[in-house]
Amino acid sequence: AQSVTQPDIHITVSEGASLELRCNYSYGATPYLFWYVQSPGQGLQLLLKYFSGDTLVQGIKGFEAEFKRSQSSFNLRKPSVHWSDAAEYFCAVGARSNDYKLSFGAGTTVTVRA
Amino acid sequence: EPEVTQTPSHQVTQMGQEVILRCVPISNHLYFYWYRQILGQKVEFLVSFYNNEISEKSEIFDDQFSVERPDGSNFTLKIRSTKLEDSAMYFCASSESKTGANQPQHFGDGTRLSIL
Repeated sequence: AQSVTQPDIHITVSEGASLELRCNYSYGATPYLFWYVQSPGQGLQLLLKYFSGDTLVQGIKGFEAEFKRSQSSFNLRKPSVHWSDAAEYFCAVGARSNDYKLSFGAGTTVTVRA
Repeated sequence: EPEVTQTPSHQVTQMGQEVILRCVPISNHLYFYWYRQILGQKVEFLVSFYNNEISEKSEIFDDQFSVERPDGSNFTLKIRSTKLEDSAMYFCASSESKTGANQPQHFGDGTRLSIL
């Protein structure tokens, strides 16, 4: 069965600074990987996805993520954060054999300080 | 942009009562899902639904749970006799296809279920 680990529960970053959120997955074959963001009181919004091909994927809101098979990682990055990026971020993995159900990490809460 | 909509946004129910959570998936989507997130915990898969039947369900999805697509637009989750531990945020999701993928799941804003 697939699983996801997000090692960082909470990250605080200054506005304008860079951000990197870590995600490690466990799955025997090529996974489908996703990053979702949840603002307070909101649902889960898809930031970006990886299915195949180029291992560096671009998403919305200036985010990107890099798939590294050798490290079983799919870390999310943003060069310069904005106060509106304060939210909870979830990494998820989907498996072709499991009807594409998603397994989520525990989430990383990002706080942006002025 | 099309959205998945869920109603109500917050439901408060007495323990032992039945509750129905409603979802309207994106109109051309064929795969439907329910997930839940207990406060402070991970988002967990409950059930997937395709072609008017359950495709897969988790251990959480026991006999107290059922799903239905009563018409061409709604997708509902029913909990027959609620327990305190059913208190959670419930998310509905839909996707356009499964095979060949490249079709992510789109989530609604969730229904917060509070069992008293």
